Amino acid sequence: EAGVVQSPRYKIIEKKQPVAFWCNPISGHNTLYWYLQNLGQGPELLIRYENEEAVDDSQLPKDRFSAERLKGVDSTLKIQPAELGDSAVYLCASSSFLDGHTQYFGPGTRLTVL
Amino acid sequence: SQQGEEDPQALSIQEGENATMNCSYKTSINNLQWYRQNSGRGLVHLILIRSNEREKHSGRLRVTLDTSKKSSSLLITASRAADTASYFCATVSFTGNQFYFGTGTSLTVIP
Repeated sequence: EAGVVQSPRYKIIEKKQPVAFWCNPISGHNTLYWYLQNLGQGPELLIRYENEEAVDDSQLPKDRFSAERLKGVDSTLKIQPAELGDSAVYLCASSSFLDGHTQYFGPGTRLTVL
Repeated sequence: SQQGEEDPQALSIQEGENATMNCSYKTSINNLQWYRQNSGRGLVHLILIRSNEREKHSGRLRVTLDTSKKSSSLLITASRAADTASYFCATVSFTGNQFYFGTGTSLTVIP
């Protein structure tokens, strides 16, 4: 069974440009998470989906970040416009309540904003 | 914000020694999980311990949980160079809808 898939793995853009990340969760996982991870830190939740509904987006900077999970499967996270401080690794994870919400992570997208 | 804090922030040991790292958290939990992250990779789930459990084993891993002290420890026995990674604890709320990662412990195992 395939794990969580993310693309692209790396992205370099100039500030003020838009950028989008894509995530395909594990089949059957209703819960999908987007995290931001800065160097030397733990992941910080940006948004959590239950199926297609965003149930926790309190930490998502809504002035520039947006996310969607159409049909409750794949998800995209967008930043527009990007700022220098957005340089980080963006992780996607999925889980199921059937195993205590153990999260399965994708490899992440490393974003560099110049 | 991150609920958990790992201690120590960094740990360096010789291959074959045991490594112990601790996690403290703030609120009541349903379960606590430990994850490993190799450099430049995503996190990998290691072990889950429920709030009504006190100790759990998986291979060379031993996890303890003390809900009265709101703390957990992860012991890796007979460490190997391949265990070099960052280790994070994560807490899950009773409703399962709040999930917080700690700040991580960076473990280096010297061959």
